[in-house]
Amino acid sequence: KAGVTQTPRYLIKTRGQQVTLSCSPISGHRSVSWYQQTPGQGLQFLFEYFSETQRNKGNFPGRFSGRQFSNSRSEMNVSTLELGDSALYLCASSLGGLGMYEQFFGPGTRLTVL
Amino acid sequence: SQQGEEDPQALSIQEGENATMNCSYKTSINNLQWYRQNSGRGLVHLILIRSNEREKHSGRLRVTLDTSKKSSSLLITASRAADTASYFCATDPGSSNTGKLIFGQGTTLQVKP
Repeated sequence: KAGVTQTPRYLIKTRGQQVTLSCSPISGHRSVSWYQQTPGQGLQFLFEYFSETQRNKGNFPGRFSGRQFSNSRSEMNVSTLELGDSALYLCASSLGGLGMYEQFFGPGTRLTVL
Repeated sequence: SQQGEEDPQALSIQEGENATMNCSYKTSINNLQWYRQNSGRGLVHLILIRSNEREKHSGRLRVTLDTSKKSSSLLITASRAADTASYFCATDPGSSNTGKLIFGQGTTLQVKP
């Protein structure tokens, strides 16, 4: 099976712009979770989608949003970018059962905000 | 906020030696997972251990879990230069926290050839 794919791999944006990141999960996986990784805060959970519904959300401002499509592909959007949004954004896919399954991560999207 | 703390933060060993990393967490969990990350790339899943398991093996990896002490350890035996990476433990807090893993700060392992 193909692994989790994320596009684009690298992005450079300026403050105030918005950005959309895409994640395609492993075939058959219905849960997609998003994480932000920074040197200062480490890996932090953003949100999780299952069957097109957001089931869980981390402590991030409303500028961070996401959605999931019927084919389980997911997008996350960050509006009004700030310098502090520069990070590696990782998505992970899972079969989706409650606490029972491994999460498999994609290669990440490296976002730089200038 | 991070639930887990990993110890040590950095570890440097010679090829062929064993490497042990420890992880402590704060709340009850459904399972605990270990991941490897090379130079800011994606996370590679190593092993999952459920809360009712005490030990698990996968190749050169051995993971233990002590839920009474809220701690886990990852042992890499006969290390290789290719094992150089950052290693993270991640806990699944279960309950209504679906799809959420809480990560430790990680242990940076350097294996010298």
